[in-house]
Amino acid sequence: DAGVTQSPTHLIKTRGQQVTLRCSPKSGHDTVSWYQQALGQGPQFIFQYYEEEERQRGNFPDRFSGHQFPNYSSELNVNALLLGDSALYLCASSSGTGRTDTQYFGPGTRLTVL
Amino acid sequence: AQSVSQHNHHVILSEAASLELGCNYSYGGTVNLFWYVQYPGQHLQLLLKYFSGDPLVKGIKGFEAEFIKSKFSFNLRKPSVQWSDTAEYFCAVLGGTNAGKSTFGDGTTLTVKP
Repeated sequence: DAGVTQSPTHLIKTRGQQVTLRCSPKSGHDTVSWYQQALGQGPQFIFQYYEEEERQRGNFPDRFSGHQFPNYSSELNVNALLLGDSALYLCASSSGTGRTDTQYFGPGTRLTVL
Repeated sequence: AQSVSQHNHHVILSEAASLELGCNYSYGGTVNLFWYVQYPGQHLQLLLKYFSGDPLVKGIKGFEAEFIKSKFSFNLRKPSVQWSDTAEYFCAVLGGTNAGKSTFGDGTTLTVKP
């Protein structure tokens, strides 16, 4: 049973570019949440997708957008990259949006913006 | 807005020593509480969780945590650490109804010397 998978593992971009990160949830899960983890900090919630819609959003600008596909996989898009967007981006999946639904995390995508 | 504070940024112990990592949160309502561990080179893994009931919860690898509502705390403990416990530990709080919008602390790095 595959856990949460993310691609790519590492990515290097320059300021102003756009990037797309991908996530496949754990088998049986239908909800995907995205987090940003800067160096030395804990993960910060970006947004959550359920039934192909954004259900919750953290304090991130509109440059951060996402999508969920019918097979529950998800993409995170970041436009107009800034140096400060350099971080580890984590995807977490769960079997629902309720507060008793435990999240399982993927290995992350390390984004470096030069 | 909820917040999580992990007081110890870096803890260094010798094998067989006892461990206690502090976690305090600020949220006035019902909370779900989690401890995650991130071993070197690996992704975030759930160590234990508290939803309701017995405030003393047991997790994997001999870890336990106690929820003290009056102190807004959820400290992680292990009676005797091993070298393999070297990792970063994150406390997370979920308040409200949505599983995705977890708030994480900034983590505690534990180094266990053989």
